[in-house]
Amino acid sequence: QITLKESGPTLVKPTQTLTLTCTFSGFSLSTSGVGVGWIRQPPGKALEWLALIYWDDAKHYSPSLKSRLTISKDTSKNQVVLTMTNMDPVDTATYYCAHTHSGTYWGWGQGTLVTVSS
Amino acid sequence: DIQLTQSPSFLSASVGDRVTITCRASQGISSYLAWYQQKPGKAPKLLIYAASTLQSGVPSRFSGSGSGTEFTLTISSLQPEDFATYYCQQLNSYPHSFGQGTKLEIK
Repeated sequence: QITLKESGPTLVKPTQTLTLTCTFSGFSLSTSGVGVGWIRQPPGKALEWLALIYWDDAKHYSPSLKSRLTISKDTSKNQVVLTMTNMDPVDTATYYCAHTHSGTYWGWGQGTLVTVSS
Repeated sequence: DIQLTQSPSFLSASVGDRVTITCRASQGISSYLAWYQQKPGKAPKLLIYAASTLQSGVPSRFSGSGSGTEFTLTISSLQPEDFATYYCQQLNSYPHSFGQGTKLEIK
């Protein structure tokens, strides 16, 4: 059974850097074709794709946020980390991580709400 | 970037109705499209992948079709648990963008 869980701060101040960790089980990020992506959803709004990292360390970012995002993996710990710099109140959202393989996002974490406020 | 436009954005329907949601892509994406159902406070749930393949465990009243730039999600007979928000997502190229969502409400 594949499970993912997001963790990190629930409140960050404007201009701070957000670091989120996705801890997963039921699959390995060393398996060919496997990836973990991050998606966010502001309250009451649509889903927004952020970033994706693959088993071979290939990385892809949302062009509009690329300058602020870094995605990395620790295969031995079954974790993927997303950092987002220069946080702003408009970045307030629920952040999800998701497992992808063969071009489909099969399972998602429960999400973690991050509020940006001074 | 590929833009996905869903229509309608809001849909009011009754139990037993047949409903169709459309997702249009700004450029061709072959069959690299997924549909999700999201209920309040929950993560999206995969319903359909590769435009028309039903995810395991998803009721057969859900179906997907289309290729290229126009796709549809159909629910053949609405059940009370189907009232939710539905999103399409393209996986043809990065970023793997989503549509703006369709909120399905009880009439």
